[in-house]
Amino acid sequence: GEDVEQSLFLSVREGDSSVINCTYTDSSSTYLYWYKQEPGAGLQLLTYIFSNMDMKQDQRLTVLLNKKDKHLSLRIADTQTGDSAIYFCAEIPYNQGGKLIFGQGTELSVKP
Amino acid sequence: NAGVMQNPRHLVRRRGQEARLRCSPMKGHSHVYWYRQLPEEGLKFMVYLQKENIIDESGMPKERFSAEFPKEGPSILRIQQVVRGDSAAYFCASSPYQNTEAFFGQGTRLTVV
Repeated sequence: GEDVEQSLFLSVREGDSSVINCTYTDSSSTYLYWYKQEPGAGLQLLTYIFSNMDMKQDQRLTVLLNKKDKHLSLRIADTQTGDSAIYFCAEIPYNQGGKLIFGQGTELSVKP
Repeated sequence: NAGVMQNPRHLVRRRGQEARLRCSPMKGHSHVYWYRQLPEEGLKFMVYLQKENIIDESGMPKERFSAEFPKEGPSILRIQQVVRGDSAAYFCASSPYQNTEAFFGQGTRLTVV
């Protein structure tokens, strides 16, 4: 079955690192994504990782993928107040036409 | 190259009216996906269309909802006889090919009163 799970809330202090975790069930997924949604806005693609990779780094963002445990994480270094938003992890199951299966979203709150 | 354009951004309808939501994909993108985000929830897939064809409508409610993507013009998500439970944000995404990254519009926030 297709299911993506995330914890709902995370609160950090400005300058700390944030780690947002996600578990998924469909091992056939070829790509896994992280999207950011600010209040009242659409979804912004932050980064993605191909399923044959373990890690991807892009400036302050680091994505780690543990395929064995079906666990994905997003680490934001030096978190800023502008990073406050809801972060969604999503997968595209293989042979499903490209539809995204989203987690419930993790609301990141960054305190000064 | 403009992004995915959705309109209107906000739509208020009375119970029983019809809602029409429009989505113009990015230039060169022929794959369109509609998602619904209920309050305090994640996004749920509704329907996947290519030009003039519905490819996957497994996420669409069986009644009152329909979608189209004509040869010319935007994709339309149509909700007939709206009810309060239809109040949500509706997002459209487009991609140039199947199974590639999708770009999202800003969404249409539908409120049924």
